[in-house]
Amino acid sequence: AQSVTQLGSHVSVSEGALVLLRCNYSSSVPPYLFWYVQYPNQGLQLLLKYTTGATLVKGINGFEAEFKKSETSFHLTKPSAHMSDAAEYFCAVSRQGAQKLVFGQGTRLTINP
Amino acid sequence: EADIYQTPRYLVIGTGKKITLECSQTMGHDKMYWYQQDPGMELHLIHYSYGVNSTEKGDLSSESTVSRIRTEHFPLTLESARPSHTSQYLCASMPGGGYGYTFGSGTRLTVV
Repeated sequence: AQSVTQLGSHVSVSEGALVLLRCNYSSSVPPYLFWYVQYPNQGLQLLLKYTTGATLVKGINGFEAEFKKSETSFHLTKPSAHMSDAAEYFCAVSRQGAQKLVFGQGTRLTINP
Repeated sequence: EADIYQTPRYLVIGTGKKITLECSQTMGHDKMYWYQQDPGMELHLIHYSYGVNSTEKGDLSSESTVSRIRTEHFPLTLESARPSHTSQYLCASMPGGGYGYTFGSGTRLTVV
């Protein structure tokens, strides 16, 4: 079975500071990994995904994530936070041929002026 | 550009009413899903479908029902709404292969 753990239900950073949202997964087969963002009263929007190939994945809005198999991690980063980055972020895992995604609990990102 | 549509976006309804939340997608995806989400909380899978005439209950027990008569349409129905049904309902679809969901904008339901 696959599972996802997001460390920290709430992360707060200052505008211009580094954003780091942590995601660890458990999977007995090569995983597909995803980060989604959810703004208030909206659905989830795909930020980036890793399936195969390059382990550093770049997404929208300046975010990137690195797949580290040895650490079973897929942490999300952004060098400089912007006020518009304030949202809920979800990490998810699946695998080739999977029927469903497994989501983490979510991390709320707050940006301080 | 959203290819999966949910209506209505917001709904306030009285206790005991029957409601149907609509979800349609134009991508031809076989797999569709309904999630329930309370504000600031994690996602809970309540129903899913792998194709026409296929529906299954998800991880969270729900009094709602779903149908899948057409590939593009996956409506969710509550026969008798209660205040405990107040929540956000998110619809999603996925092509084969596990490559990730596309989500609709959600329906925020309030039962008074």
